[in-house]
Amino acid sequence: DTEVTQTPKHLVMGMTNKKSLKCEQHMGHRAMYWYKQKAKKPPELMFVYSYEKLSINESVPSRFSPECPNSSLLNLHLHALQPEDSALYLCASSQEGQENSPLHFGNGTRLTVT
Amino acid sequence: AQSVTQLGSHVSVSEGALVLLRCNYSSSVPPYLFWYVQYPNQGLQLLLKYTTGATLVKGINGFEAEFKKSETSFHLTKPSAHMSDAAEYFCAVSGDGGYQKVTFGIGTKLQVIP
Repeated sequence: DTEVTQTPKHLVMGMTNKKSLKCEQHMGHRAMYWYKQKAKKPPELMFVYSYEKLSINESVPSRFSPECPNSSLLNLHLHALQPEDSALYLCASSQEGQENSPLHFGNGTRLTVT
Repeated sequence: AQSVTQLGSHVSVSEGALVLLRCNYSSSVPPYLFWYVQYPNQGLQLLLKYTTGATLVKGINGFEAEFKKSETSFHLTKPSAHMSDAAEYFCAVSGDGGYQKVTFGIGTKLQVIP
């Protein structure tokens, strides 16, 4: 069982919809991440939160809006997405302050934009 | 900038045979190196991570990786493949640009033939 929980598992949305992806972890990790993974490709970093503050934004389009309400929760708000945004969105967490701390991934949300 | 090269996007081995997945890295700073495994429709799971000073790193499910600084390599091995090892394997590096920026290789899909 994964210790990082992502909901929903699947999401289909139109280009004019607004939806949110949710991620929760209870490992006490203070760094949380959003990754995007296209089919047959490696994960690509989108955002990193450190102690609930946005620390890295990999030049992600503004139609993706992250939010970290508290140390256990991470959201990704979606608005006006394009079909090419269809992908597996992975949330991850890690211990802050430990440079070789590995990432703990959720099972992802498979997003389809129609 | 850091990078990871995984040689062979697809590797096939017979059940019981040696598994060897190749990974070469590039980094301007001492790297933090990881191997992750991804089963279909799941997130990534840590197999093992490099610890500074170690040469041979042991991971879960019988996997090992050998760090060779002179060859900038971190190849993954398992003496005897099992059917359950069939999955996608990603080598990853961090450190250059901050330890939270993890760069993944393109992945190697391992097929185990009965």
